[in-house]
Amino acid sequence: AQSVTQLGSHVSVSEGALVLLRCNYSSSVPPYLFWYVQYPNQGLQLLLKYTSAATLVKGINGFEAEFKKSETSFHLTKPSAHMSDAAEYFCAVTDQPGNTPLVFGKGTRLSVIA
Amino acid sequence: NAGVTQTPKFQVLKTGQSMTLQCAQDMNHNSMYWYRQDPGMGLRLIYYSASEGTTDKGEVPNGYNVSRLNKREFSLRLESAAPSQTSVYFCASSGARRVALSTGELFFGEGSRLTVL
Repeated sequence: AQSVTQLGSHVSVSEGALVLLRCNYSSSVPPYLFWYVQYPNQGLQLLLKYTSAATLVKGINGFEAEFKKSETSFHLTKPSAHMSDAAEYFCAVTDQPGNTPLVFGKGTRLSVIA
Repeated sequence: NAGVTQTPKFQVLKTGQSMTLQCAQDMNHNSMYWYRQDPGMGLRLIYYSASEGTTDKGEVPNGYNVSRLNKREFSLRLESAAPSQTSVYFCASSGARRVALSTGELFFGEGSRLTVL
């Protein structure tokens, strides 16, 4: 069975500082990994996805994530936090995109301090 | 460009009442899903439908029923609401494998906030 663990339910950074949100996965087959963002009172929208092409994936709003098979990780980073990045972030995994549902982590709430 | 539309957006029920959450997508997607979101729990899958005419249980199906009315519509029914079903419910859809890989797996509605007193 697949699972995702997000370390830290709440992360707080200063504006302009590095953002690092951690995600570790468990999967018996090569995974497809996703990061979604949820702004207050909205649905989820895709930030970026890993689909077995490049291990370093670039997404929207300056975010990127690196797939590390040896560490079973897919951490999300952004070099410089902006106030508008304050949101909840979810990591998700599936082994068959479009055929099997995504399994989500519990989410990490990012706060950005001015 | 509607995408995934959920109704209602807000609902308050009394324990024991029934209601149906409606979801429709206009992207010709094969698969549709219902998730619930609770604080500290992330999103948990209730039911999904991989294609028209099929439905499968997810992680937390108890107390819910679903109907895949046609390719566009996927409804979630609470037959006898309980306070434990107070949550935000999200409907999502995805295309076939090729489409999902190229477009980003899931498209979400804006959510339906349900309170059961």
